Amino acid sequence: ETGVTQTPRHLVMGMTNKKSLKCEQHLGHNAMYWYKQSAKKPLELMFVYSLEERVENNSVPSRFSPECPNSSHLFLHLHTLQPEDSALYLCASSQDLAIQGRGTRTSTQYFGPGTRLTVL
Amino acid sequence: KNEVEQSPQNLTAQEGEFITINCSYSVGISALHWLQQHPGGGIVSLFMLSSGKKKHGRLIATINIQEKHSSLHITASHPRDSAVYICALKTSYDKVIFGPGTSLSVIP
Repeated sequence: ETGVTQTPRHLVMGMTNKKSLKCEQHLGHNAMYWYKQSAKKPLELMFVYSLEERVENNSVPSRFSPECPNSSHLFLHLHTLQPEDSALYLCASSQDLAIQGRGTRTSTQYFGPGTRLTVL
Repeated sequence: KNEVEQSPQNLTAQEGEFITINCSYSVGISALHWLQQHPGGGIVSLFMLSSGKKKHGRLIATINIQEKHSSLHITASHPRDSAVYICALKTSYDKVIFGPGTSLSVIP
């Protein structure tokens, strides 16, 4: 138990469906992250939120839409996905983000168990 | 050339063996993480390093900033250590880069 939960754990959806992934952290952290892990590929960072504000968006297609209503919750809204979007989606949180120009203070990220997504 | 590489890609060891997994990178970093991913997807952060060496139980992680190299060592390996081990960099420009992972299988 890392203190980061994700629901659902498994999701199968059609290309025309709209669904949402939910992440919740019980650690009092200020930063949250969405990652995508496809088969036989390294982890890809998708979105970063710090204090509920999006600070990084790594060229993710618009069919993925993140939402961070408060520092404990992070959503990933999915619509009109493609079969190649099938992957493991991982949420993580950390106490703080490293801010460029303010030294090298960084934070360990705590990961949730992931949502296994299959797009038919 | 990839910005971060790991070796070996796959590793099979007998229970009790000493294991080393290597990570080499070519960019400036502010920190390096070693992560453990078990079958089913869950990921645990093992270490965060910016210099020197850290030890936790049977796990030891070292980093040489000048040589841009880090190693993860597992002493007295056990079948429950079987997992994918991932090296992740936090670059000097706040970008996170993940290595391809090393798949470890420890046989009883």
